[in-house]
Amino acid sequence: AQRVTQPEKLLSVFKGAPVELKCNYSYSGSPELFWYVQYSRQRLQLLLRHISRESIKGFTADLNKGETSFHLKKPFAQEEDSAMYYCALEPTGGGNKLTFGTGTQLKVEL
Amino acid sequence: EAGVVQSPRYKIIEKKQPVAFWCNPISGHNTLYWYRQNLGQGPELLIRYENEEAVDDSQLPKDRFSAERLKGVDSTLKIQPAELGDSAVYLCASSLGDRQQETQYFGPGTRLLVL
Repeated sequence: AQRVTQPEKLLSVFKGAPVELKCNYSYSGSPELFWYVQYSRQRLQLLLRHISRESIKGFTADLNKGETSFHLKKPFAQEEDSAMYYCALEPTGGGNKLTFGTGTQLKVEL
Repeated sequence: EAGVVQSPRYKIIEKKQPVAFWCNPISGHNTLYWYRQNLGQGPELLIRYENEEAVDDSQLPKDRFSAERLKGVDSTLKIQPAELGDSAVYLCASSLGDRQQETQYFGPGTRLLVL
């Protein structure tokens, strides 16, 4: 069975500082990995997926199979980045079945 | 586009009472998901539908939970009887299909409190 671990419940940074939200996974195959975000009073939405290798709102995430990690990074935090971030894993051939981590609350302070 | 619609948004009931949640997915989305999110946790899949067929209900506590998706559009999730531990946010999501990497679009959720 797969597992997603987000070790930090809360991460507080100052505006303009770099951000790294940690995500580690446990899965025997090659997973598909995602970051979902939930802004205050909004619904959960997809931020980015590793296969796209894209940068969304300045965020990037690199899959490190050796360390089984998929950390989310942004070089300069903005106030509007404050939100709840969830890392999620989809197993190979998993039919879009997601396993979520427990989430990290990012707070960007002025 | 309204996105995924859920109702009610909030529900407070006493234990042993029944409760039902309703979900209307995005038009054209064949796959529908029900998740439960306990306080401080990430969403956990309860059941996944492909059109009107439940293709994955392995995590659904079948002694008290039931779901249906008649006509392959709207869906209802029911709990009978509710227990204190059922207090959670129940999320509905939909996607075009169940292929790998298909984006899931979430509804606002129904927050259930069982007293």
